Amino acid sequence: KNQVEQSPQSLIILEGKNCTLQCNYTVSPFSNLRWYKQDTGRGPVSLTIMTFSENTKSNGRYTATLDADTKQSSLHITASQLSDSASYICVVSGTAGYALNFGKGTSLLVTP
Amino acid sequence: EAGVAQSPRYKIIEKRQSVAFWCNPISGHATLYWYQQILGQGPKLLIQFQNNGVVDDSQLPKDRFSAERLKGVDSTLKIQPAKLEDSAVYLCASSLVGTSTEAFFGQGTRLTVV
Repeated sequence: KNQVEQSPQSLIILEGKNCTLQCNYTVSPFSNLRWYKQDTGRGPVSLTIMTFSENTKSNGRYTATLDADTKQSSLHITASQLSDSASYICVVSGTAGYALNFGKGTSLLVTP
Repeated sequence: EAGVAQSPRYKIIEKRQSVAFWCNPISGHATLYWYQQILGQGPKLLIQFQNNGVVDDSQLPKDRFSAERLKGVDSTLKIQPAKLEDSAVYLCASSLVGTSTEAFFGQGTRLTVV
């Protein structure tokens, strides 16, 4: 069964600090892995998308890594801002036509 | 480029009533998804269309949920009759072709069944 597990479930950090979110998956065959940011009351917005051959991808203060051998990914947020408070969802898809497999998300709260 | 449009944004109905949600995907996107997101959880796929054909509806409660995408463009998701446990955000997403291309999400419709 294709599964996507995220940790931690929730996280509270001080503004300006860094944090790292984890994603482990069992989806096979693998096509790509995405990280989405979902603000409360809004739809998810894509941060990064990585294929099998990509190890790291950055989008501003967000840096995602992928280890396709161990089936693990991380999302590192640098110098956090209050606006980073949101749910971060890891989504893994198999080869074209297969459904997107969603993790349950990590809820991040950045406090002043 | 216009994003995925959904309406209504919010809906409150009594149990056993019917409700319909509408989604207009990004122009040219062949794949359309409907997801159900219960508070505190990740989205769960209800149905995936490729143009006007159904690719995956294995998790759609077909006794009460139905969806159509007649002309391969916009789509409607219906619940009839609604139950309390249907309270959730219903997200529509679209992608150019299949899951190997970027999926863009709409704002969602928040349904409350009382």
